Amino acid sequence: GQNIDQPTEMTATEGAIVQINCTYQTSGFNGLFWYQQHAGEAPTFLSYNVLDGLEEKGRFSSFLSRSKGYSYLLLKELQMKDSASYLCARLTTDSWGKLQFGAGTQVVVTP
Amino acid sequence: EAQVTQNPRYLITVTGKKLTVTCSQNMNHEYMSWYRQDPGLGLRQIYYSMNVEVTDKGDVPEGYKVSRKEKRNFPLILESPSPNQTSLYFCASSFRQGAATNEKLFFGSGTQLSVL
Repeated sequence: GQNIDQPTEMTATEGAIVQINCTYQTSGFNGLFWYQQHAGEAPTFLSYNVLDGLEEKGRFSSFLSRSKGYSYLLLKELQMKDSASYLCARLTTDSWGKLQFGAGTQVVVTP
Repeated sequence: EAQVTQNPRYLITVTGKKLTVTCSQNMNHEYMSWYRQDPGLGLRQIYYSMNVEVTDKGDVPEGYKVSRKEKRNFPLILESPSPNQTSLYFCASSFRQGAATNEKLFFGSGTQLSVL
């Protein structure tokens, strides 16, 4: 993805916690999304952050630091169904409506 | 049921033969967008539309055309497809995108295109 970096793959055990980091270009930043994509399926929305801080939604939490150009997605109490690709996406003010995705992080949950 | 419908799901064609991938949403969304997804590159935005008759280029618009004559439809047109356009394509929509409101995207099921 352009100007957005996230690890390619992470492996974790069922029941554990995994943190997926995303760094992005700060200029023109207007918000950050996380999407989940299972193999062969369309992405589905997980979270949106525009202000600094942590947003918690059940087992999933997302954090944003605007000044550092950094976000993470925290997955707690991992389940096998959490095996998927997690996409970080940046909304830009350069052109309203332009959304740039990272290449995605493949999370593999093992028994 | 609220959804984004893309057709076809799979398409095999030959170089230079014009094709259209249709996208329709039934949620009265203002914003629609097309992406292609390639291994290692993630989702890349082709074109987007903020509303009817308003379209703009994303990051990889070359070789593609779009139109937004009605709110619900946003077809992707490949006038002269080439093998480097072989990819998985997704259409997506949201209520709106902009400075004041940022809404989550709803994605279609995808179109796997192969250009021989």
